[in-house]
Parts: sequence; C-alpha cells; structure tokens
Amino acid sequence: KAGVTQTPRYLIKTRGQQVTLSCSPISGHRSVSWYQQTPGQGLQFLFEYFSETQRNKGNFPGRFSGRQFSNSRSEMNVSTLELGDSALYLCASSLEGAVTYEQYFGPGTRLTVT
Amino acid sequence: AQKVTQAQTEISVVEKEDVTLDCVYETRDTTYYLFWYKQPPSGELVFLIRRNSFDEQNEISGRYSWNFQKSTSSFNFTITASQVVDSAVYFCALSTNTGNQFYFGTGTSLTVIP
Repeated sequence: KAGVTQTPRYLIKTRGQQVTLSCSPISGHRSVSWYQQTPGQGLQFLFEYFSETQRNKGNFPGRFSGRQFSNSRSEMNVSTLELGDSALYLCASSLEGAVTYEQYFGPGTRLTVT
Repeated sequence: AQKVTQAQTEISVVEKEDVTLDCVYETRDTTYYLFWYKQPPSGELVFLIRRNSFDEQNEISGRYSWNFQKSTSSFNFTITASQVVDSAVYFCALSTNTGNQFYFGTGTSLTVIP
C-alpha cells in the first residue's frame, strides 16, 4: 500500500505571497490532518478534514486554510505569507479520525519564506 | 486544557544500554488516547503505539516497551539494548474526544553512540 505523499517537497516563497500544499492520503483513509513543525514551537496541529469537511481546527490564524476533495486528497493554503510561516508542513492520514486512530505521516513539505 | 510534557530534550546513550523516555500528560477528560511517534533524521514521523485511557496494560514489542500509569499521568517508553538505528526524535502525543485535537510533546532527541 502506498504511503502518504506530499507535494511539493520543498518550496521557497516570498513574504506576502500565497502557497498551496498538497497531500494524498493512504488509500481508504478518510481523515487528513495537517501539522506545522518548527524548531521553536514544535509540532502544532493545524486542522483535520474528514469526508470533505473540516472537523477540527487548531489555533492558527485564518490565513491558514484547507480543503479536502471527494477522493480524500487534501490541500492546504497559506495566504499572505510571513517569515514565521517557514516550517515543515506535515500531512497525516488515518482511517477514521485523528483523535482516536493512529496517523500515518507523509514526508512533509519544507516551506521557506524569504 | 490538554498538555504533553517531555522533560528530556536530549539523551545520549552508548549502544546496548537501556533508555527510558518520559512522557507526562494533562487532561481532564476520562477518555483519551496516548501515542508515541518516532521521527528519524529522514523527517517522516513513524507511528509506534496507541493506548486508550481504559487500557493500562503495559506493552512490549521487541526491544520496545511502554509503561502507562494513570496515577502519575505518565506514559513512558523504554528501549532495551539500544541500537544506532534508534537514534531519532521521539514524540509523545495526546488526543481527546472533547478537545478534538492532537497534542504533541516537544520531543526527545535520542542519540545512540556506537
């Protein structure tokens, strides 16, 4: 079974721009969650999508948004990028939900904002 | 509020030594889930174990073992006879149905010296 895939793997953007990251979950998994990992803040939960609906959301500003498609693939968008958005963005999929089921993580997208 | 504390930031051990990684959690929920993940240098988080709050049975999987104690709100992870391949950052995480989020600790970086 193929694992979680994320594209692109690396991205360099300029402050003020917007960016879209993509995640394809493991086949059959309906839940996709996004996390931001930085040296200072560690791993922080952004949001979870389940059956095309945002089910849970972390404490991030509205510049961070996402969506999920009918095939469970998910995209995350960050608008008006700030230097502090530089991070590793991880996507994880689980069978039914991030809260009670183990999650399987992708390799991440390394975003650098200059 | 939910919180996970991994007080050990970095640990170094010599190969074949046993090592215990500590995890202390906080939650007022009676139903919750605890997880351990491993993040090797490649960056991809790997699921190790999930435990729900009603199952205090300790678990052993090869060289890995987990000690769950509700009385002290701890979920510690022991690696027996450590190997160089165990070198990674290990994260403890908590989720609850009420919080509908996934909370990671700050991680413990383990270095196994040959």
